[in-house]
Amino acid sequence: DIQMTQSPSSLSVSVGDRVTITCRASESISRYLNWYQQKPGKAPKFLIYTASSLQTGVPSRFSGSGSGTDFTLTISSLQPEDFATYYCQQTYSTPQTFGQGTKVEIK
Amino acid sequence: QVQLVQSGAEVKKPGASVKVSCKASGYTFTAYYIHWVRQAPGQGLEWMGRINPSTGDRYYIQKFQGRVTMTRDTSISTAYMELSSLTSDDTAVYYCARDFLFEGYSGSEDYWGQGTLVTVSS
Repeated sequence: DIQMTQSPSSLSVSVGDRVTITCRASESISRYLNWYQQKPGKAPKFLIYTASSLQTGVPSRFSGSGSGTDFTLTISSLQPEDFATYYCQQTYSTPQTFGQGTKVEIK
Repeated sequence: QVQLVQSGAEVKKPGASVKVSCKASGYTFTAYYIHWVRQAPGQGLEWMGRINPSTGDRYYIQKFQGRVTMTRDTSISTAYMELSSLTSDDTAVYYCARDFLFEGYSGSEDYWGQGTLVTVSS
């Protein structure tokens, strides 16, 4: 199975900050990389697919980049509703696998 | 609008089985795969497998083979996940989710159920 490793595991930021989360795959996954946002007690929300395509309705402050093994999720200006845990997921091969998550907390 | 509504919380004893339902609405049930993902308390997301509601074809990850059964009833647009021989390690929230791709398979999940908490305790 392909292993997905996110960094950092958590970060403390302020509203308006630029946030960058990285995700590394244990082997090349081309651009088959998704990002999800999860708030406490809620189901994950689909944000980005194929590394950089925004799902319908997702604010443009979210962006994704990368290919091969290294990927990035960027939030250009963090809003109060963005405090959550973010997960990457590879869909290059079955079984699809998730990173361990990155918790974005209020500083 | 697309909705996946899951059955309510369950408390089971070790060794028992649990069956979680996932009723779909707002789209053609047979046109999209259904995935099952679980999340243990305070932990990350773990994909368990998927079912093609049109054909019934299923895939389970090796960890759950022999213990999990995914089925569907197309007449009521409902998918089911049954997990047997429960242990405390199976205590988790179980989610169903719809695949992103119409009449295909992407592995990505765009709509999710609200989750079903399964607690295994003696």
